[in-house]
Amino acid sequence: GAVVSQHPSRVICKSGTSVKIECRSLDFQATTMFWYRQFPKQSLMLMATSNEGSKATYEQGVEKDKFLINHASLTLSTLTVTSAHPEDSSFYICSVPTGGGYTFGSGTRLTVV
Amino acid sequence: GENVEQHPSTLSVQEGDSAVIKCTYSDSASNYFPWYKQELGKRPQLIIDIRSNVGEKKDQRIAVTLNKTAKHFSLHITETQPEDSAVYFCAASQTSGTYKYIFGTGTRLKVLA
Repeated sequence: GAVVSQHPSRVICKSGTSVKIECRSLDFQATTMFWYRQFPKQSLMLMATSNEGSKATYEQGVEKDKFLINHASLTLSTLTVTSAHPEDSSFYICSVPTGGGYTFGSGTRLTVV
Repeated sequence: GENVEQHPSTLSVQEGDSAVIKCTYSDSASNYFPWYKQELGKRPQLIIDIRSNVGEKKDQRIAVTLNKTAKHFSLHITETQPEDSAVYFCAASQTSGTYKYIFGTGTRLKVLA
């Protein structure tokens, strides 16, 4: 099956700094990728749809200026959490539609201190 | 937009018993319904899916049923084993693999040995 790599797996940053998370589709060209956020013991909440070569589509309530998404190639999408605050601490996970459904990245646990 | 509700939120069963998790969706245009299993700290893994032109699908100990009229679908796990313990998420989508998934709130299944 398809392989999706996500980095970093864990990151701790200071409040006010920015963090970049990468999602790579290693063996599948993805014109679309999805970014989800998962709080402890909660569901996967869709944040945005990353579109290769064009602007991302954000879900209602998600600040596009805070969560910057770049999808410059068919194999890489990045999510940058800008000016991070403790409430941004969460598990961020990307997914790639691979024909037979989604393949998820391994997730990034972000802790903002 | 689509809204997916999932019940129960937690479920404990004795090893060997069956487990049933139910989901309802709101958008009649949804036509693809995957189920994911997520172990602690890991990425969700697809375990079974069903399309709207099928009422039931089975894969060994796992089965999914779909009632399009009532807009609900269920996951059935028979002969449960301790390794089935995890969080299970249902999702609804309009197109397999190319459209965003809206996930249910999750069910924490615990299989007691």
